[in-house]
Amino acid sequence: DAGVIQSPRHEVTEMGQEVTLRCKPISGHNSLFWYRQTMMRGLELLIYFNNNVPIDDSGMPEDRFSAKMPNASFSTLKIQPSEPRDSAVYFCASSFEGRVTEAFFGQGTRLTVV
Amino acid sequence: GENVEQHPSTLSVQEGDSAVIKCTYSDSASNYFPWYKQELGKGPQLIIDIRSNVGEKKDQRIAVTLNKTAKHFSLHITETQPEDSAVYFCAASWGGKLIFGQGTELSVKP
Repeated sequence: DAGVIQSPRHEVTEMGQEVTLRCKPISGHNSLFWYRQTMMRGLELLIYFNNNVPIDDSGMPEDRFSAKMPNASFSTLKIQPSEPRDSAVYFCASSFEGRVTEAFFGQGTRLTVV
Repeated sequence: GENVEQHPSTLSVQEGDSAVIKCTYSDSASNYFPWYKQELGKGPQLIIDIRSNVGEKKDQRIAVTLNKTAKHFSLHITETQPEDSAVYFCAASWGGKLIFGQGTELSVKP
């Protein structure tokens, strides 16, 4: 398996624009997590899905952030409108069975909002 | 909610020395404690984990200890090598998800 695949690897956008980050989890995994990493706040969990259903979105910072998982092999994290303070590295991770076990991380998307 | 504190934030050791990173957690219901290593430009990668029914686990040069009563766990790296230089994160399970510590930047000087 190729592991968790995220795209794009880097994204530079202007303030106010819509940004969509994409994630393909490991085949067979049924839990998917979106994390944001910044120097100030470290790794923050934004939202996680189990069997394509959002279970906990309490980490989503604002209504500008939304996430979807239309099927078991694809998820998106959307920011609309984007702001400079959204600049961070966004990671997607997946694991098996919904219980806490080894979570595999993607390479991340480095987002810069100017 | 769960809170995980990690110390130190930076650690510099000489090659061959040992390195110890410590974490504390707040929720006694947590039962899974992984450690991740993150190299520059990459995602975190699991290096070792421990469950609450075990007090210690070892894998070659890496070991993790867990004290459930005190709610703290530690990562021990022996005979450090320059390739051990990275950021290390501890985490604790809570409500089906992982809550991470702030990270420790380990530098191993040759």
